[in-house]
Amino acid sequence: DTAVSQTPKYLVTQMGNDKSIKCEQNLGHDTMYWYKQDSKKFLKIMFSYNNKELIINETVPNRFSPKSPDKAHLNLHINSLELGDSAVYFCASSPQGIDNSPLHFGNGTRLTVT
Amino acid sequence: AQSVTQPDIHITVSEGASLELRCNYSYGATPYLFWYVQSPGQGLQLLLKYFSGDTLVQGIKGFEAEFKRSQSSFNLRKPSVHWSDAAEYFCAVGAVNYQLIWGAGTKLIIKP
Repeated sequence: DTAVSQTPKYLVTQMGNDKSIKCEQNLGHDTMYWYKQDSKKFLKIMFSYNNKELIINETVPNRFSPKSPDKAHLNLHINSLELGDSAVYFCASSPQGIDNSPLHFGNGTRLTVT
Repeated sequence: AQSVTQPDIHITVSEGASLELRCNYSYGATPYLFWYVQSPGQGLQLLLKYFSGDTLVQGIKGFEAEFKRSQSSFNLRKPSVHWSDAAEYFCAVGAVNYQLIWGAGTKLIIKP
């Protein structure tokens, strides 16, 4: 049973396209996150939702839009893809706020923009 | 400013040798501290965490970490590494408002 699953695992697309990455967790967690990991392995939080409400919205281009239809899902839609968007995107979830509960990560989606 | 520093970008250790990965943090309050491991092509997995109490914390896969408030450190240790321990290791501090502050990671390379 996969706890946090994200699809697709790999995504290769051209500049200017629009793409979505889906994430689902079956852990019953209240909080979900999107992280971006660049080529230097640096992890940067992008968004966080708690019970379908946006609670963290870091400085990311507004071409990135998260959508949480229910607390088990947090999808990431990206418009007008750019070369610099190439990275690995990780979905994660936690029972409650990060400050006292660990994250459970998906296996990542490697996005390559050509 | 809150920050996490992992001074070693990569470390090479012989299989069977002991390991210590360094982590220093800067945080105003009592921190929640985490170590995560990322195997190639995988997401991050929690190794261990410190919230309060005993400053020596045991984790999975034979890892342990010690919180030293006076040194603002939370170093990760393992007495004897296995080839399967080769991975990227991340230290993180749990801040308020659902934020995690991440170190830049240390890549562990195991020599046969």
